Amino acid sequence: EVQLVESGGGLVQPGGSLRLSCAASGFTFSSYWMSWVRQAPGKGLEWVANIKQDGSEKYYVDSVKGRFTISRDNAKNSLYLQMNSLRAEDTAVYYCARQYEANFDYWGQGTLVTVSS
Amino acid sequence: QSALTQPRSVSGSPGQSVTISCTGTSSDVGGYNYVSWYQQHPGKAPKLMIYDVSKRPSGVPDRFSGSKSGNTASLTISGLQAEDEADYYCCSYAGSYWVFGGGTKLTVL
Repeated sequence: EVQLVESGGGLVQPGGSLRLSCAASGFTFSSYWMSWVRQAPGKGLEWVANIKQDGSEKYYVDSVKGRFTISRDNAKNSLYLQMNSLRAEDTAVYYCARQYEANFDYWGQGTLVTVSS
Repeated sequence: QSALTQPRSVSGSPGQSVTISCTGTSSDVGGYNYVSWYQQHPGKAPKLMIYDVSKRPSGVPDRFSGSKSGNTASLTISGLQAEDEADYYCCSYAGSYWVFGGGTKLTVL
């Protein structure tokens, strides 16, 4: 059974940093592109970033470029999102999602990030 | 990277059919056959219901179908059931990034 479990969310002040993790199991992690998708409270979904199987390609939504870094450790079956210079508008539930071609076929339960003073 | 346009809400009675539209541009919906639809119940993670415009993952009832014409994609749910009440999001590949719609709340009357 495919499982994605996010962790690392919490309350952080504006300008602060946070590192999210996603532990994957039930599939060959190193064979899939992976993505982060976020959802602000009461709002819709927003794709944030993705990373190729070997980490050689990474893409970001414009609003997080230069502030967020996606990475992965295939030996640990883990996906990460380093978030720096956080802003109030980054407040959201962050989901880890497996990519199947150009779609997101499995999602974790999400971890809440709150940026507030 | 503008969001796709969906109606904020739709409704239907049990057994009826509803269609949710998703309008983008030639740079996303119209440019690729990579439109997907996600169902999200309150407090839950999204679930893939349709991918590549009209394909259904295993386990998704055939009451759910997808289509596309030009820059507009559509999700049709036939034989509405109470458990179909949820938020639905369309999503399109846009060449190195993805864009979602704002979401549509489906109410089963």
